[in-house]
Amino acid sequence: DSGVTQTPKHLITATGQRVTLRCSPRSGDLSVYWYQQSLDQGLQFLIQYYNGEERAKGNILERFSAQQFPDLHSELNLSSLELGDSALYFCASSEGGTFNEQFFGPGTRLTVL
Amino acid sequence: GESVGLHLPTLSVQEGDNSIINCAYSNSASDYFIWYKQESGKGPQFIIDIRSNMDKRQGQRVTVLLNKTVKHLSLQIAATQPGDSAVYFCAENIGSYNTDKLIFGTGTRLQVFP
Repeated sequence: DSGVTQTPKHLITATGQRVTLRCSPRSGDLSVYWYQQSLDQGLQFLIQYYNGEERAKGNILERFSAQQFPDLHSELNLSSLELGDSALYFCASSEGGTFNEQFFGPGTRLTVL
Repeated sequence: GESVGLHLPTLSVQEGDNSIINCAYSNSASDYFIWYKQESGKGPQFIIDIRSNMDKRQGQRVTVLLNKTVKHLSLQIAATQPGDSAVYFCAENIGSYNTDKLIFGTGTRLQVFP
């Protein structure tokens, strides 16, 4: 158990809908990262937050947004969902800074029908 | 459930043998590299890391080798065990100060047979 929790574990929704994925980092970790893992794209970095502020951005679509709250939990919002958004979404956390080990949560499996 | 691609390169080894998993990275400016292990239905798990100022680092039963000249990374697992069966990813950090942007490789599936 990495100490990172993600909810829900599974999510099934329809195209055009909006969903919110939630992540609670390990106790004491200030950085939260979101990743998307799909069969054809592999594991891709989406975005990083550090202590409530956006720190780095990767291949995150404009339909997707994230935030980190004062209690350090984070949410990833996915809107106008398309079939191709079906994937595993992982959250990871680290102490912050650079070159710190990232601890991954168990993931949320999103299925868009 | 299936969490990674079905058509990953696969390395099959016999229990007790040594395994070597290779990875080519893309960015010559990357200065931090990590190996992750992902078991079916789980998130990636950190195995070992290496900074660009090193060419070798050893952990418990694992060794990472870094060849910056050819942008190549390898993970060696000694005395491979059934519990080592998983998909292994290398990752390079292309972030700058105080940011971590990990770029993951496509992964290699390690299968250990008795």
